[in-house]
Amino acid sequence: GQNIDQPTEMTATEGAIVQINCTYQTSGFNGLFWYQQHAGEAPTFLSYNVLDGLEEKGRFSSFLSRSKGYSYLLLKELQMKDSASYLCAVLDSNYQLIWGAGTKLIIKP
Amino acid sequence: IAGITQAPTSQILAAGRRMTLRCTQDMRHNAMYWYRQDLGLGLRLIHYSNTAGTTGKGEVPDGYSVSRANTDDFPLTLASAVPSQTSVYFCASSELLTEYGYTFGSGTRLTVV
Repeated sequence: GQNIDQPTEMTATEGAIVQINCTYQTSGFNGLFWYQQHAGEAPTFLSYNVLDGLEEKGRFSSFLSRSKGYSYLLLKELQMKDSASYLCAVLDSNYQLIWGAGTKLIIKP
Repeated sequence: IAGITQAPTSQILAAGRRMTLRCTQDMRHNAMYWYRQDLGLGLRLIHYSNTAGTTGKGEVPDGYSVSRANTDDFPLTLASAVPSQTSVYFCASSELLTEYGYTFGSGTRLTVV
């Protein structure tokens, strides 16, 4: 079966750095997405990785290792507005998105 | 309209009633999707459509039907609602084979009592 694992919840301090991990086992791989979802709102696109390595976009970076079936989202200089759920999703061989259950990130002052 | 519009925003529905959730996009995306999101389970695909005139079943299609008469509209119908269909429903769209991901509507919160 297809499976995406990420921690259920994480807590971090304002101004710090946090890394949210995602491991996946899917039938084929055509890219990995990270989305941000604030409570009561729709998910919004953060990043896309299809090749191994680190993609940096401002305070957010995303890393992919296809051989390990592993990705992480790195958030720097955390702000209170970063409190949200972060969803990892993999595009499988049929170009369907397989979603993880999401990681709820709590930022404390 | 900018992006994806879903209606209604929320609804309380009696079990056994029929309900259609509306979804309209103005981005001319080929592909559209319906997801339900339940606490602890993440987003689960109900039905999808890769292009107007075609639809497909996702992970949890039972009790739901869709149609795609044109590019812009992708309604989701619950023929006879049951309490287990209480959920938040998201419509999304994308270009096929895109690295830009999906654009989501703001969601419909449905409670079946």
